[in-house]
Amino acid sequence: AQSVTQPDIHITVSEGASLELRCNYSYGATPYLFWYVQSPGQGLQLLLKYFSGDTLVQGIKGFEAEFKRSQSSFNLRKPSVHWSDAAEYFCAAQYSGGGADGLTFGKGTHLIIQP
Amino acid sequence: EAGVTQFPSHSVIEKGQTVTLRCDPISGHDNLYWYRRVMGKEIKFLLHFVKESKQDESGMPNNRFLAERTGGTYSTLKVQPAELEDSGVYFCASSQVFASEQFFGPGTRLTVL
Repeated sequence: AQSVTQPDIHITVSEGASLELRCNYSYGATPYLFWYVQSPGQGLQLLLKYFSGDTLVQGIKGFEAEFKRSQSSFNLRKPSVHWSDAAEYFCAAQYSGGGADGLTFGKGTHLIIQP
Repeated sequence: EAGVTQFPSHSVIEKGQTVTLRCDPISGHDNLYWYRRVMGKEIKFLLHFVKESKQDESGMPNNRFLAERTGGTYSTLKVQPAELEDSGVYFCASSQVFASEQFFGPGTRLTVL
């Protein structure tokens, strides 16, 4: 079955430190991949997306993600986190390969920022 | 431009009652999606409208859930009768035709007592 795995439920990092959130996807073909962020009281906001081409994609708020086919991974990174990055992060996949189908989400990772 | 809006933001009802959730997509977006997140679980796809037609309702949990999108604009999701396991956050999203990027609303938190 199609699935997305985010192995870390919570991650705590110090302000100014680097961040990497892990995401693995299942299924044979490479899906379209997304990272969303949800701050308290807000909807999900798209950070970045990967469809094809360059495996390192840049997003908003200084985030980037790297697609690695050999590892079925799409990890999210940021070189220096800010207190405002504290939120829940969701990795998602769209397995229809370009259609407008529903997304398959991971369980989310809560990011906690220490001062 | 207004984003996706959902009403109400919170709803607390008793088991056996009926609740209707509303979603207003971004103007001009033909695709409209409903998702649900039960506590501790991942966000799960429920169904997908293209304009007023149900494109995919494979994620609807059972026949107590009824989604409509009359006129291809706003959508409603009715739960009748509600059960305890229906508690969770219901998200709506919309996108342009043939577009993969979905824009999400803030969600409706449903609590069934």
